[in-house]
Amino acid sequence: AAGVIQSPRHLIKEKRETATLKCYPIPRHDTVYWYQQGPGQDPQFLISFYEKMQSDKGSIPDRFSAQQFSDYHSELNMSSLELGDSALYFCASSLPTTGELFFGEGSRLTVL
Amino acid sequence: AQSVAQPEDQVNVAEGNPLTVKCTYSVSGNPYLFWYVQYPNRGLQFLLKYITGDNLVKGSYGFEAEFNKSQTSFHLKKPSALVSDSALYFCAVRDSGYSSASKIIFGSGTRLSIRP
Repeated sequence: AAGVIQSPRHLIKEKRETATLKCYPIPRHDTVYWYQQGPGQDPQFLISFYEKMQSDKGSIPDRFSAQQFSDYHSELNMSSLELGDSALYFCASSLPTTGELFFGEGSRLTVL
Repeated sequence: AQSVAQPEDQVNVAEGNPLTVKCTYSVSGNPYLFWYVQYPNRGLQFLLKYITGDNLVKGSYGFEAEFNKSQTSFHLKKPSALVSDSALYFCAVRDSGYSSASKIIFGSGTRLSIRP
């Protein structure tokens, strides 16, 4: 069965650079979520989209932005990267009727 | 605001013994509760959920969880542990008054270690 696809899987950036992560949800899933998981931490909710509109917002820094496109894929844009942004970034998708989220394998961002 | 607590950072169990991973929650309305498992450097895999209905929910890999409204708990259980069950387990909650894309909040995680 198709799963959530995230790219790139690994990314290395310097401080103050920008990065873009992409997420392709499971077909027919109209809701996308972004989470950040630091080393040894639980996933922290960043932002979610439903039908291409921002639906809920969590602890997403102002340096980050995201959007969902007409084909339901989503991109997380991160600017002025800081060392503390180094983390695993997960995208998840769901159908509103089922409740559970299905996660991708994550994008590991390392900021040097 | 919703919250989830996993009081144990680590649970150690011998293979073949029953296991329990504890979770308590707090929401303003009725809870939607979930358990996820995470293997090293991997994404979170959905195990099971409670939305409504029977308090005992059965999920993947022989896991089950019991919803207890009076104790606001949703403990994860398995009758006989396997070494391959060793992983990081997260409890999560969403308020039932959620909009179509409201967030799921995760607990801090419990590392389950099964010794042969």
